[in-house]
Amino acid sequence: EDQVTQSPEALRLQEGESSSLNCSYTVSGLRGLFWYRQDPGKGPEFLFTLYSAGEEKEKERLKATLTKKESFLHITAPKPEDSATYLCAVQEDSNYQLIWGAGTKLIIKP
Amino acid sequence: NAGVTQTPKFQVLKTGQSMTLQCAQDMNHNSMYWYRQDPGMGLRLIYYSASEGTTDKGEVPNGYNVSRLNKREFSLRLESAAPSQTSVYFCAGGRSYEQYFGPGTRLTVT
Repeated sequence: EDQVTQSPEALRLQEGESSSLNCSYTVSGLRGLFWYRQDPGKGPEFLFTLYSAGEEKEKERLKATLTKKESFLHITAPKPEDSATYLCAVQEDSNYQLIWGAGTKLIIKP
Repeated sequence: NAGVTQTPKFQVLKTGQSMTLQCAQDMNHNSMYWYRQDPGMGLRLIYYSASEGTTDKGEVPNGYNVSRLNKREFSLRLESAAPSQTSVYFCAGGRSYEQYFGPGTRLTVT
């Protein structure tokens, strides 16, 4: 069964403490992997698309990487405003529908 | 530019009542989507519309109907609400690899 698993479910960090979030997936053929950010009471906001193993994308303090089985979202020197739930989704070659993970809730304490 | 708007923001229904969730986008996207988001689970696609006049079932279409009224508007109807339909509903527009979400409708069915 195709699935997307994110870990940890929640992560609490001190401001400035770097870490990584994981998204592992099992699909027959990957068309793309996507990272979104979701603030409380709001809809998800698109961050990155990754298409092939070895690819990396960066935006401010965030860097997303992709291997054949998982993706990491690295957060460097996070600030309280980086607190949010980060969602991962994948798209198979044969299907327009995205398969979403349950998300990682990130809390950055000042 | 409002992006994607949804109404209402909150709704409480009794079992068996009907209602329509409204969604509109001003981003000129051909594709629009309806998702539901439940605690501990990833977003699940209810219905998808690739263009005006076309709709396709997603992962969890039972109990819902949709109408793509024009390019801007995509509505979701619950004909006979059930407690299992208590959820947060998101509308989105855009390509499968980059979707823009509305703020959501929090629906409670008692």
